[in-house]
Amino acid sequence: DIQMTQSPSSLSASVGDRVTITCRASQGINNYLAWFQQKPGKAPKSLIYAASSLHSGVPSKFSGTGSGTDFTLTIRSLQPEDFATYYCQQYKSWPLTFGGGTRVEIK
Amino acid sequence: EVQLVQSGAEAKKPGESLKISCKVSGYSFTSYWIGWVRQMPGKGLEWVGIIYPGDSATTYSPSFQGQVTFSVDNSISTAYLQWNSLKASDTAIYYCARHDSGCSSTTCYTLIDYWGQGTQVTVSA
Repeated sequence: DIQMTQSPSSLSASVGDRVTITCRASQGINNYLAWFQQKPGKAPKSLIYAASSLHSGVPSKFSGTGSGTDFTLTIRSLQPEDFATYYCQQYKSWPLTFGGGTRVEIK
Repeated sequence: EVQLVQSGAEAKKPGESLKISCKVSGYSFTSYWIGWVRQMPGKGLEWVGIIYPGDSATTYSPSFQGQVTFSVDNSISTAYLQWNSLKASDTAIYYCARHDSGCSSTTCYTLIDYWGQGTQVTVSA
């Protein structure tokens, strides 16, 4: 199985900040990388696929980069509704595997 | 509008059986894979596996192989996740998720685009 490692596991940030989350795959996955947002008590929401493409309706403040083994999710101008846990996932091969998650908290 | 609506919360005893459902609307049920994702209390997301309603082809994550069973009823656009003998360690929220699919020149893939709202399964004596 391909292992996905996210860092940091949590971070504190202020409204208006720019935050970056990192995801590393245990082997090359080209750009078969997705990002999800999960708010407490809610189902995950799909944000990004193919490492950098936004799903329909996702605001452009979210952006993704990377290819191969190293990827980043950047959130520009953090707003109260962006405080959540973010997960990366590889979909290059089955079983699909998720990173451990990054909790973004209010400072 | 694509929607995946899951059945309600369940409370069961160890050893009991259970089948939860995921009813979809807004797209052709038989044209997309449907998968299941587990989230244990306070933990992250784990991919359980996937089924293709068009031909009932299935793939289970090795961690879940033999522990659960996927099925579909195409006549009512509904996917199911079933346990024959529940354990306390099955306590979790289970999400169904539509998987879009495609192929590049070298790889075929399935990726999650839409999620159900989740079903809480609690197993306790």
